[in-house]
Amino acid sequence: QVQLVESGGGVVQPGGSLRLSCAASGFTFSSYGMHWVRQAPGKGLEWVAFIRYDGSNKYYADSVKGRFTISRDNSKNTLYLQMNSLRAEDTAVYYCAKDKGNRGLRSSPDYWGQGTLVTVSS
Amino acid sequence: DIQMTQSPSTLSASVGDRVTITCRASQSISSWLAWYQQKPGKAPKLLIYKASSLESGVPSRFSGSGSGTEFTLTISSLQPDDFATYYCQQYNSYSFTFGPGTKVDIK
Repeated sequence: QVQLVESGGGVVQPGGSLRLSCAASGFTFSSYGMHWVRQAPGKGLEWVAFIRYDGSNKYYADSVKGRFTISRDNSKNTLYLQMNSLRAEDTAVYYCAKDKGNRGLRSSPDYWGQGTLVTVSS
Repeated sequence: DIQMTQSPSTLSASVGDRVTITCRASQSISSWLAWYQQKPGKAPKLLIYKASSLESGVPSRFSGSGSGTEFTLTISSLQPDDFATYYCQQYNSYSFTFGPGTKVDIK
């Protein structure tokens, strides 16, 4: 069965950096695009970034463009999110999610991890 | 960027009620729309993709319809397990915007 396990969350000061990881299993990781989605406390879902199955293209929400970088290592079945210049408004639970589309077919997230909390505070 | 809206923001209903949630896009997204259910402290769960396709394992009381800019999620007979927050998400463009959510609570 599909499993996505996020790690790397924690407390960081404004302006600091953090790298999140998402370990994937139960499916052919190298065949699916992957997303990061976040949810601030008590708020709705906000899509953050998407990377194609082969890493060839990456897309970002305007709110994180230039500060966050999504990447993947298909040999390790792992997705990453490098977060720099963090701000208080980046405080959220960060979910990784598998895209439903195989090898670039247009689709939406289907399976989600349980999330990792990032708190940006001094 | 494509903006998504949902109505109502909160919906009070009873077990057995027929419930309809509306999602609107700021421009046409064809049928590139998904619906998710989220319960407190849990990850979202995919219910519907491509506007009207039921995800495997999701009860048939859930259905989706619409195309272009207006979409609906219908729960034909609300069950106790269905009290949750529901989100729509467009994937017409690589911005994957979510709607603000609709909370379904007990009347």
